[in-house]
Amino acid sequence: ELKVEQNPLFLSMQEGKNYTIYCNYSTTSDRLYWYRQDPGKSLESLFVLLSNGAVKQEGRLMASLDTKARLSTLHITAAVHDLSATYFCAVDMGADKLIFGTGTRLQVFP
Amino acid sequence: KAGVTQTPRYLIKTRGQQVTLSCSPISGHRSVSWYQQTPGQGLQFLFEYFSETQRNKGNFPGRFSGRQFSNSRSEMNVSTLELGDSALYLCASSLAPGTGPSPLHFGNGTRLTVT
Repeated sequence: ELKVEQNPLFLSMQEGKNYTIYCNYSTTSDRLYWYRQDPGKSLESLFVLLSNGAVKQEGRLMASLDTKARLSTLHITAAVHDLSATYFCAVDMGADKLIFGTGTRLQVFP
Repeated sequence: KAGVTQTPRYLIKTRGQQVTLSCSPISGHRSVSWYQQTPGQGLQFLFEYFSETQRNKGNFPGRFSGRQFSNSRSEMNVSTLELGDSALYLCASSLAPGTGPSPLHFGNGTRLTVT
């Protein structure tokens, strides 16, 4: 059974600090997504990672994919309050079937 | 360009009833998939439709069903509702296969409460 594990599950960090969220998965896949969800809202696509070694950056967020290690990371640089949300990684199993991680709830405080 | 539209936004039903949720994909998107989100189980894949055909199905009982119409709009139905069916149901759409990799675009969801 495919498992997608994120850690940490909860992250409280101070503004200006850096941190990394990890996403480990247990099966072969060359495509991984990161989504953001604000409370009571839907999922917003952040990154699409399509191959081994892929790295994408947008603002203070950078995502990478290592398919050999079955590991993706989401790095937060100089966190700001607006980044407070829940972040999900999702492994693409084909035919729009995504297996989501448990989510990481991020809180950024002053 | 309008996003994925789901109706209704909120539903309250009692055990044993059935419910139908509706989803209109982004214009031009032909694949529609459904996900269930609960605090305990997280986000789980229900099923996916393309060209009115179910291509993939998650591990849910037969009480959960869906369909897609020729205009790509989709509905999902849950019969004989149970308390555990209370969840946020998210619909997502994407371009047809073969048009290149793209993320799923999610709607705002339908929050179903079963009492």
